[in-house]
Amino acid sequence: NAGVTQTPKFRVLKTGQSMTLLCAQDMNHEYMYWYRQDPGMGLRLIHYSVGEGTTAKGEVPDGYNVSRLKKQNFLLGLESAAPSQTSVYFCASSYGGGLRRNTIYFGEGSWLTVV
Amino acid sequence: SQQGEEDPQALSIQEGENATMNCSYKTSINNLQWYRQNSGRGLVHLILIRSNEREKHSGRLRVTLDTSKKSSSLLITASRAADTASYFCATDAASGSRLTFGEGTQLTVNP
Repeated sequence: NAGVTQTPKFRVLKTGQSMTLLCAQDMNHEYMYWYRQDPGMGLRLIHYSVGEGTTAKGEVPDGYNVSRLKKQNFLLGLESAAPSQTSVYFCASSYGGGLRRNTIYFGEGSWLTVV
Repeated sequence: SQQGEEDPQALSIQEGENATMNCSYKTSINNLQWYRQNSGRGLVHLILIRSNEREKHSGRLRVTLDTSKKSSSLLITASRAADTASYFCATDAASGSRLTFGEGTQLTVNP
């Protein structure tokens, strides 16, 4: 199993450009998440999904959109990139949530710089 | 604000010593998890402790949970240079579907 795979790993964008980060998991997990991590800080939840066709806002959703058209994929879109979105983005997945939540598996991260 | 807050922010010890990191949280939880992150890498799950458990062990790791104080601790015994990493606690709130991470403790183990 590949686990959680993110693409691209590195990207430089100009302010105002758009892009999509792709996350794929091969563990048949129901829950998927997108986090951002800024220097010296923990992870902040952007959006998450509790199943195919569902999405929900996390702590810092503004400026991002997501889609979960297939169970194994979770896409994060930046419609008009801003320098404040320069960060490392992590995708993650888990079998369940709440009382059923167990290990969360993370991808290796996507480094995004907006200039 | 973050649900989980780690303490200390940074910890530097010598190889062979024990390292203790603490996590405090604010609301009722289903479980609490500890993760490790090596520089430039993703997070790796270490251990999960459920709200009805008080202590769990995994190899050199020992986690305690005190729900009355809303706190947890991670103890790494006989530390090694390879344990150098950031350690995060993550709380699974009793309400909602979110898993919330703290800001982490940066552990440096000097050889």
